[in-house]
Amino acid sequence: DADVTQTPRNRITKTGKRIMLECSQTKGHDRMYWYRQDPGLGLRLIYYSFDVKDINKGEISDGYSVSRQAQAKFSLSLESAIPNQTALYFCATSDIGEQYFGPGTRLTVT
Amino acid sequence: EDQVTQSPEALRLQEGESSSLNCSYTVSGLRGLFWYRQDPGKGPEFLFTLYSAGEEKEKERLKATLTKKESFLHITAPKPEDSATYLCASKAAGNKLTFGGGTRVLVKP
Repeated sequence: DADVTQTPRNRITKTGKRIMLECSQTKGHDRMYWYRQDPGLGLRLIYYSFDVKDINKGEISDGYSVSRQAQAKFSLSLESAIPNQTALYFCATSDIGEQYFGPGTRLTVT
Repeated sequence: EDQVTQSPEALRLQEGESSSLNCSYTVSGLRGLFWYRQDPGKGPEFLFTLYSAGEEKEKERLKATLTKKESFLHITAPKPEDSATYLCASKAAGNKLTFGGGTRVLVKP
């Protein structure tokens, strides 16, 4: 089984809808991250959490919120989706070293 | 502000044709330089971490090196299965990574 799982893997939603992306990890790491990837812009950090009680904004947090339900679970919400949030979203986990990424969620907002 | 720039954006190679990818970084207090491989539709897969200038790491046909301003990923005698996007990222204090835009590598048989 994969160490980092993301659900759903693909989602199409309409403008204005609320949507939640979920991430679970079995690596036992305290640190978890959410990124988005757009063609030509690379990976950009949305939010990160260093433990269950710690939540921090990344470089592009506007329009997003997160919840750290447990050490192993970190969810990303789009409160009111807009078309420019169409992207590939990745969750990652780490100890103090390298980050390990999930398979991604492809989100399309129409 | 930390910045990471990768070049070239794309690289087409014949099988067996060695080449190098460049990653230039500007960061205060580098805590690590990371290389990842990403296949289409998949998450980045960790390859290497380099911590200090002069350090080198190897894995199969890949070798990563680090200077005070750049890192290089050398691909020796590539095979078609080495086709992927290669990402580098710098880490400063706080364990946050700053990613470059990636280099798309296509190795033709």
